[in-house]
Amino acid sequence: GNSVTQMEGPVTLSEEAFLTINCTYTATGYPSLFWYVQYPGEGLQLLLKATKADDKGSNKGFEATYRKETTSFHLEKGSVQVSDSAVYFCAQFANAGGTSYGKLTFGQGTILTVHP
Amino acid sequence: GAVVSQHPSRVICKSGTSVKIECRSLDFQATTMFWYRQFPKQSLMLMATSNEGSKATYEQGVEKDKFLINHASLTLSTLTVTSAHPEDSSFYICSAKQGHGFHFGNGTRLTVT
Repeated sequence: GNSVTQMEGPVTLSEEAFLTINCTYTATGYPSLFWYVQYPGEGLQLLLKATKADDKGSNKGFEATYRKETTSFHLEKGSVQVSDSAVYFCAQFANAGGTSYGKLTFGQGTILTVHP
Repeated sequence: GAVVSQHPSRVICKSGTSVKIECRSLDFQATTMFWYRQFPKQSLMLMATSNEGSKATYEQGVEKDKFLINHASLTLSTLTVTSAHPEDSSFYICSAKQGHGFHFGNGTRLTVT
């Protein structure tokens, strides 16, 4: 089935530092790709998404580009804030075929802590 | 934006009892909802796909007789953990599909004593 692999954490940064969280996927066909954020004790919130190759998703200063050639969807932010501290999940939605069709498949999550 | 309400947010129950968790889509109709389980510091594990008006589709290894799912209307899916045991203690999250997007509830922290 389809899978998502994320950079292992935890990631600890100082405020205003540059953030990259790597994400790669394996899929049958061309999935839609997502980044979700989870704050402590809460469910998931959609951060950004991309539905086809070379699309760039962006929101709240975060960006990720759908790279078909490297099967990647790395999350970046130029200057992180303390309020960005959370767990970040990369996910894919299989649009066609295979046992993962119609489901979101998540990476293992990356804990980000930003210090003042 | 679309809102999914999950209730209760926390529940503590005794071993052997059953617990029901509700997932409601507040401002849209959801023919498909999903139930996940999340262990501490781990990712979300899909338990089952809940389809309105039909039986849920369970993932491999998930006991359908233990985790009962009912999706009787377009805005409500329920997960009942039957005869709960301490190993069922976890964070359960529901999600509702709307078009090409997914909206998540805030989760339910279940503790079985």
